[in-house]
This record gives sequence, structure tokens and C-alpha cells, in this order.
Amino acid sequence: QVTLKESGPVLVKPTETLTLTCTVSGFSLSNARMGVSWIRQPPGKALEWLAHIFSNDEKSYSTSLKSRLTISKDTSKSQVVLTMTNMDPVDTATYYCARISRGYSGYDYDYFDYWGQGTLVTVSS
Amino acid sequence: SYVLTQPPSVSVAPGKTARITCGGNNIGSKSVHWYQQKPGQAPVLVIYYDSDRPSGIPERFSGSNSGNTATLTISRVEAGDEADYYCQVWDSSSDHLFGGGTKLTVL
Repeated sequence: QVTLKESGPVLVKPTETLTLTCTVSGFSLSNARMGVSWIRQPPGKALEWLAHIFSNDEKSYSTSLKSRLTISKDTSKSQVVLTMTNMDPVDTATYYCARISRGYSGYDYDYFDYWGQGTLVTVSS
Repeated sequence: SYVLTQPPSVSVAPGKTARITCGGNNIGSKSVHWYQQKPGQAPVLVIYYDSDRPSGIPERFSGSNSGNTATLTISRVEAGDEADYYCQVWDSSSDHLFGGGTKLTVL
């Protein structure tokens, strides 16, 4: 059974750095063609992809947030960590981690097949 | 950057067919994935690679993709299908991109 669980602070102050941890079970972070993404959703708004990391340590970041994000993994602990610097009230959102599965049909395609329950992070002084 | 356009809302009577569209420039050349999100819950993958269904997703859910429009079709709609639906693609200029979401209301 694949599960993902987010953990981290529920409240951060403006300008602080947010650190979120995703702990996975039911699959290994060393599985080929699998990875973990972070995705967020402001209250009442759409989903926004933030970053991903694959088993081969391939990393990618949202173009608009790239300068503020860092993603890393600890395979032995089955954890993926996302840090986001210089938090602002507009970053208030539910943050999800999700497993990525990568298929191939002449080209790679990625989809998010399992999601954590999400964690609401509020940015306020 | 690439843009995905979904209608904000779609309404359908129980037992009828709902069609939710996702528009994008030449989206038919990309793989489209669909997610269902009920209030207060995490999204659930319902269609991947345009038209494949994950295990556990009813056959009532189907997908298609051609030209500038991808479509999620829900047949024999039930009250439990009421949710927000998001399409998603990968694009070299936008990385992983989600549509704005469509709220499906079952009348």
C-alpha cells in the first residue's frame, strides 16, 4: 500500500524559510521511473506544481519559484524534503507531496498517481 | 508559456453524461492526465496518458485527446462524482501544468 505523509510547520512568519518533509511508504525512492513532487493549492484556488525529484536524483523546479525552492531526498529514511525561502502571505496554501510515475510512449510522460493528505501552511506575522 | 483552459463549472443530472474539457495549443500532441478532488480531500488520479484508467477507477470515467482539446467524460453520473476536476500536462516551457479546474455539479 502506497502512502505519502507531509509534515512541517502549520504557521510561518513572513521572510522565514519553510521546510516540509514527505515520508513515503509502500515504494522506494530508489525505484526506477518513480519520483516525488510537491504541489500546492491556495485556499479556493487551483493546483500548482512546485518541484520534483526522481530516483536518479533528477530535479526540476517551477520556473516562477525556482530561486526559492530546494528539493532533496534521503532514500534510507524514505523522505523527500522541500525548502522554500522568503515566505510571504501569498504562499499560504495546502502543500501536497505526490508520487510521480513516469511512463514512456516515444517520449516520457509523468503523472501523479498517489497523493498525501496535504498540510495547510499559513504565512502570517 | 503553455496555458490550459477549463470551464469553471459543468452541471449534469444524475444518470446523464458529463464532459469536461481542457483546452491547450496542440494539446493532442501531449499526454493529458485528470484528477478528481472532493472538498477537503487530496486529488485522486482518474485518467492518465489521455485515456488510461488507474485500478479502482470506474469504467464510467474515460478520456480522449485530439487537436486543441482533451476531454474527460463521465457516464451515468452519480451524486458521488460531484467534485473539482483538474487536467494536467507536462510542457517544456511550463514543466508540470494544471488547468484551472472545473467544478462538476450533479443536479
